[in-house]
Amino acid sequence: AQSVTQLDSQVPVFEEAPVELRCNYSSSVSVYLFWYVQYPNQGLQLLLKYLSGSTLVESINGFEAEFNKSQTSFHLRKPSVHISDTAEYFCAVSVRDAAGNKLTFGGGTRVLVKP
Amino acid sequence: DAGITQSPRHKVTETGTPVTLRCHQTENHRYMYWYRQDPGHGLRLIHYSYGVKDTDKGEVSDGYSVSRSKTEDFLLTLESATSSQTSVYFCAISEPTYSGNTIYFGEGSWLTVV
Repeated sequence: AQSVTQLDSQVPVFEEAPVELRCNYSSSVSVYLFWYVQYPNQGLQLLLKYLSGSTLVESINGFEAEFNKSQTSFHLRKPSVHISDTAEYFCAVSVRDAAGNKLTFGGGTRVLVKP
Repeated sequence: DAGITQSPRHKVTETGTPVTLRCHQTENHRYMYWYRQDPGHGLRLIHYSYGVKDTDKGEVSDGYSVSRSKTEDFLLTLESATSSQTSVYFCAISEPTYSGNTIYFGEGSWLTVV
């Protein structure tokens, strides 16, 4: 079985400051890694994912995440946040090469961007 | 938008009553999922379907059943609702070319059991 731990349940941050959301996972098999974002009263949207290749992946809105196999981590960063980044962020994994892509999620990290 | 419609979006029901949530997709994706979201737990998989009449359990399936009689519809039924089933329920879909494919989520159904 897989498990995902998001180490911070809430992260307050000032506008234009950097932010890092931590994610660690546990799995006995190879996994794919995902970050999803949920804006208030909405469903989840894919932010970025790591499948293979370069361990640094980027999203179109300035987020990046780095896969670290030795530390089993997939931390999410943004060098300068905006008010619109206020949301809840979820780290998730799915088993590589499994049928379907059932996700195992972490508990989520609420990001509150203050002006 | 991923072409997923959940209904009802909000429901209040009494303990012991049956409840059915509906998920409708227009994408013709093979896989459909039901998740529940609770504070501190993220989302947890209840049931999923990999084709018409083909379903399987997720990690929190007790007290829930599902049915899929058409590709586009996936129903989640709470046989006898309990207060512990108060939650936000999300339907999701994916085309499982491989397990790294993106899963697309609906906008959620808020269920309160009183």
